[in-house]
Amino acid sequence: DTGVSQDPRHKITKRGQNVTFRCDPISEHNRLYWYRQTLGQGPEFLTYFQNEAQLEKSRLLSDRFSAERPKGSFSTLEIQRTEQGDSAMYLCASSLNRWGTGELFFGEGSRLTVL
Amino acid sequence: KNEVEQSPQNLTAQEGEFITINCSYSVGISALHWLQQHPGGGIVSLFMLSSGKKKHGRLIATINIQEKHSSLHITASHPRDSAVYICAVVNAGGTSYGKLTFGQGTILTVHP
Repeated sequence: DTGVSQDPRHKITKRGQNVTFRCDPISEHNRLYWYRQTLGQGPEFLTYFQNEAQLEKSRLLSDRFSAERPKGSFSTLEIQRTEQGDSAMYLCASSLNRWGTGELFFGEGSRLTVL
Repeated sequence: KNEVEQSPQNLTAQEGEFITINCSYSVGISALHWLQQHPGGGIVSLFMLSSGKKKHGRLIATINIQEKHSSLHITASHPRDSAVYICAVVNAGGTSYGKLTFGQGTILTVHP
């Protein structure tokens, strides 16, 4: 297994366009997290999944953000009608949680620039 | 008040010094992670703790569940230890079970 992979690594878009990011977690990892990080700040929670179930979504996020994990494997994060304030690094992490909390593995992130 | 607080926010040290970074949290947790992020780099996991103490090389992490506090120690610090160190907790109960909450990070700079 090559670890958590995210695609694309970089995305430049114009304000108002829609963007979609994909995260492929480590195989059989049942928990998947989405975060975003701006320069000099710690990661900010977006949402997380246990298998295909979305357990919580940040109250800070508008309805322009949506995430799915349809078969409990890969996940997508879509941002509609992007704004300049959406510019950030979007991070994905996964872990295997069966009889306790598992070790976390992070992807390299998808950097979004909204012009 | 944030659920996870780290101190200090910035830390500068000379090579060879002993370093301590602290993390306090206010929620019930099932585990605590210490993470490292080099400038421009991805995040890697250093430790996962649910009790006691762990050691990897020059790094030591401890947790006190009763006091809701964890520390990360670096012995004989080196310039390559310069990075952001992040504490993250896994919520143990309620509607946020399994949610991962991050501290704001500690920026460590070690000078030669």
